[in-house]
Amino acid sequence: EVQLVESGGGLVQPGGSLTLSCAASGFTFSSYVMSWVRQAPGEGLEWVSSVSSGGGSTYYADSVKGRFTISRDDSKNTLFLQMNSLRAEDTAVYYCAKDLVRNYGSNVVDYWGQGTLVTVSS
Amino acid sequence: DIQMTQSPSSLSASVGDRVTITCRASQGISNYLAWFQQIPGKAPKSLIYAASSLHSGVPSRFSGSASGTEFTLTISGLQPEDFATYYCQQYTSYPITFGQGTRLEIK
Repeated sequence: EVQLVESGGGLVQPGGSLTLSCAASGFTFSSYVMSWVRQAPGEGLEWVSSVSSGGGSTYYADSVKGRFTISRDDSKNTLFLQMNSLRAEDTAVYYCAKDLVRNYGSNVVDYWGQGTLVTVSS
Repeated sequence: DIQMTQSPSSLSASVGDRVTITCRASQGISNYLAWFQQIPGKAPKSLIYAASSLHSGVPSRFSGSASGTEFTLTISGLQPEDFATYYCQQYTSYPITFGQGTRLEIK
């Protein structure tokens, strides 16, 4: 059974940093593109970032480019999102998401984690 | 960026009804279109990809279609568990973008 479990959310001050983790199980983690998608309170879904299998390619939304870094540790089946220079508008539930297709990926999400809440406030 | 526009923003329906939600892309995306369902307080659930392919385990009352840059999600025979918010998403290119969502409520 595929499981994605996010952690690391919490309250952080504007300008601060936070690192989110997503522990994956039930599939060959290293073979899949992985992504982060967020949802601000009462709002819709926003794609944040994706990383290729192997970690060689990364992609970011303009809203987080230069501030957030996606990475993966395939030896620990874990996806990360390092978030720096946080702003109030980064307040959201952050979801980890798995791609449907092995290796080259498809950008189709088939499984989602339960999400972790990040609140940026003084 | 490719803009995705859903309509309606909300709708009311009864158990057993057939409903259709539309999503329009601002430019051609071939069939790189997905649909998701989200119940309040829960993570999204993947329903459809490639405009009309159902993910494993998704009931057959859900279907998707495409015509040019217009895509539709149809639910035939609404069940109580179907009342939720639905999102479309294009994944033809980065940045991946979502529609604003359609809230399906019980009449």
